[in-house]
Amino acid sequence: QVQLQESGPGLVKPSETLSLTCTVSGGPITNYYWSWIRQPAGKRLEWIGRIYNSGTANYNPSLESRVTMSMDTFKNHFSLRLRSVTAADTAVYYCARGPSYYDSRGYYLNSPFDYWGPGLLVTVSS
Amino acid sequence: EIVLTQTPLSLPVTPGEPASISCRSSQSLLDSDDGNIYLDWYLQKPGQSPHLLIYSLSYRASGVPDRFSGSGSDTDFTLKISRVEAEDVGIYYCMQRIELPSLTFGGGTKVEIK
Repeated sequence: QVQLQESGPGLVKPSETLSLTCTVSGGPITNYYWSWIRQPAGKRLEWIGRIYNSGTANYNPSLESRVTMSMDTFKNHFSLRLRSVTAADTAVYYCARGPSYYDSRGYYLNSPFDYWGPGLLVTVSS
Repeated sequence: EIVLTQTPLSLPVTPGEPASISCRSSQSLLDSDDGNIYLDWYLQKPGQSPHLLIYSLSYRASGVPDRFSGSGSDTDFTLKISRVEAEDVGIYYCMQRIELPSLTFGGGTKVEIK
C-alpha cells in the first residue's frame, strides 16, 4: 500500500520561502508524476504543480513564478518550495500521486490522484 | 482555464434515500484522441484528505461501494449515490484533467445527514 507523508514547518513568515517534503513509502517513486495540492480554509482545492523523476515539472500558471519542485529518487521523496509567501498562501498542503504515469511499456497514461498524504497546515504569519 | 461549477453547494440527505450532485464544465472534457472523458470525483470526509471515488467519468476506484456511480456528457456530469449511508457525509469535489498539466477542481458539495 502506497503511503505519502508531508513534512515541514507549520509556520512561515511573510516574504520567506515555504519548503515542504513528501515522503513516499510502499512503492516506487519512479514512473509516476507526483503533485502538490493546497486548500485554504473554506476554499476549493488548488493544484500547485507536479514533478516526474526525470526532473520534468509543470506548475499552475497562477503560481509558476514562485514555485519550484524537486525529487530525490534515492530517498523516495519530492519537495515543494514556494517563495515570497503571503497570508494568502496559508492552507493545508497535500501531496498526491498523479496525475499521469508511464506504464511498463513506456506509454504515458492520464491517471487521477489515487493516493494522498494526510495534509499539513501551513500558516503564513509574522 | 477550465472552470467546474458544482451544484448544490449543500445537500442534506436522508439515510437510505438517493442523492445526486452535478458538475458542469466550461469546456468539453472529452479527449478526441482516446475517447475518454477526464472527469473525476473525490470525497473529503471530515478531518481527512480527499480520496478518489470515480475516475474518467464512470469508473469506480478500488474499494468504492457500488452505490456510487458517475455519468454525464462532454460538459455535464453527475455523481449519484443510490442509497446514502451515514459514512457518506463530507465534501464531494469534481476535478478535470483533460488539459494536463493544468487541472482544476470544482467548488465542492457538502453532503450532510438531515
